[in-house]
Amino acid sequence: SQQGEEDPQALSIQEGENATMNCSYKTSINNLQWYRQNSGRGLVHLILIRSNEREKHSGRLRVTLDTSKKSSSLLITASRAADTASYFCATDALGEYGNKLVFGAGTILRVKS
Amino acid sequence: DAGVTQSPTHLIKTRGQQVTLRCSPKSGHDTVSWYQQALGQGPQFIFQYYEEEERQRGNFPDRFSGHQFPNYSSELNVNALLLGDSALYLCASSLLPGPGEFFGPGTRLTVL
Repeated sequence: SQQGEEDPQALSIQEGENATMNCSYKTSINNLQWYRQNSGRGLVHLILIRSNEREKHSGRLRVTLDTSKKSSSLLITASRAADTASYFCATDALGEYGNKLVFGAGTILRVKS
Repeated sequence: DAGVTQSPTHLIKTRGQQVTLRCSPKSGHDTVSWYQQALGQGPQFIFQYYEEEERQRGNFPDRFSGHQFPNYSSELNVNALLLGDSALYLCASSLLPGPGEFFGPGTRLTVL
């Protein structure tokens, strides 16, 4: 079973608007990562946030992490048509060996031009 | 620097057959993980190989097996294919103990 849950399941916005996606998880974690997937192909790593971090930025991306609520959000600012993709959060459980990632079902983002 | 590569890109098999998928990790990485992604779902962890041994396994039957070679490349084998095995199979590599897995483009397996 999958640990993470993304919200919303689908999001449709106009180019230039901001997109916010949320992720919740169930167990204590080492890290949380966000990935993008275009048209059912490979996953592209976007950003990693460690359990002791609260916020992280990378270009137009802003990720927050609230370990007390076991939740994270991904904000994409000034969206572009090329941002159209599925977005997944993935966690690796605290104390487990290696980088076994547990994914949510993803948010499908559509940016209309 | 080549990233994670996988072969083949697409594969069509019939029920009961066996399949082997291949993965070469990103240069400098020593750990390979395999994931299954059904249509409309997030990837699910199958297993992970490090130092040529299976180190972790997800909730998949023994029909799913793997191997890691001395050059860190890996194979995923699935026996007695079922229709439900149709999925995108993703390989990811990393350098333990650090986080951050890099994924390959995947192999699309269709079982008829």
